[in-house]
Amino acid sequence: EVQLVQSGAEVKKPGESLKISCETSGYTFNRYWIGWVRQMPGKGLEWIGFFYPDDSETRYSPSFQGQVTMSADKSITTAYLQWSSLEASDTAIYYCARRYSTSDTFDVWGQGTMVTVSS
Amino acid sequence: QSALTQPASVSGSPGQSITISCTGSSHDIGGYDYVSWYQQHPGIAPKLIIYDVTYRPSGISDRFSGSKSGNTASLTISGLQAEDEADYYCSSYTASITVVFGGGTKLTVL
Repeated sequence: EVQLVQSGAEVKKPGESLKISCETSGYTFNRYWIGWVRQMPGKGLEWIGFFYPDDSETRYSPSFQGQVTMSADKSITTAYLQWSSLEASDTAIYYCARRYSTSDTFDVWGQGTMVTVSS
Repeated sequence: QSALTQPASVSGSPGQSITISCTGSSHDIGGYDYVSWYQQHPGIAPKLIIYDVTYRPSGISDRFSGSKSGNTASLTISGLQAEDEADYYCSSYTASITVVFGGGTKLTVL
């Protein structure tokens, strides 16, 4: 069974750094892109980007380019999303999801990580 | 990249059929057969229910169907059930090699 299990909720102050994780299992990690999606409180889904573990290739949404960094550790089949300096507007639920096909479909999702940024 | 346009809400009675539209442009929906639909219940991660316009993942009820005409994609749910009450989001691949989501539609089962 394909599973994506995300790290727990975080509460941070503006300006702090953060790295959240997405531990995968049940498939060949290197062969599928991992995507990240943001959902701000009470709002819709926003695509952040894709990361390909095999060669670390990235595709970022223009809206998130330079704001976050995607990465992965192949040895533990885990993907990461990180911020160097959080802002209050980063408060949201962040989902990781496996990219299923060339159509950029997300077929399996993590449970989400709630990030709260508040002074 | 502007979000795809969905109605904010739709409603229907049990047993009825409803359709949710998702309008984009030739840059996204109209240019590719790469539309997906996701169902999201409150407090739970989204779930894929339609991909590549018309295909259902394994385990998804055949009450869910997708279609596309020009720059507009549609999700139809037939035989509406109480458990279908949720938010629904469309998404599309774009010519900019990005992914764009719709704003979401809240389905209420009366």
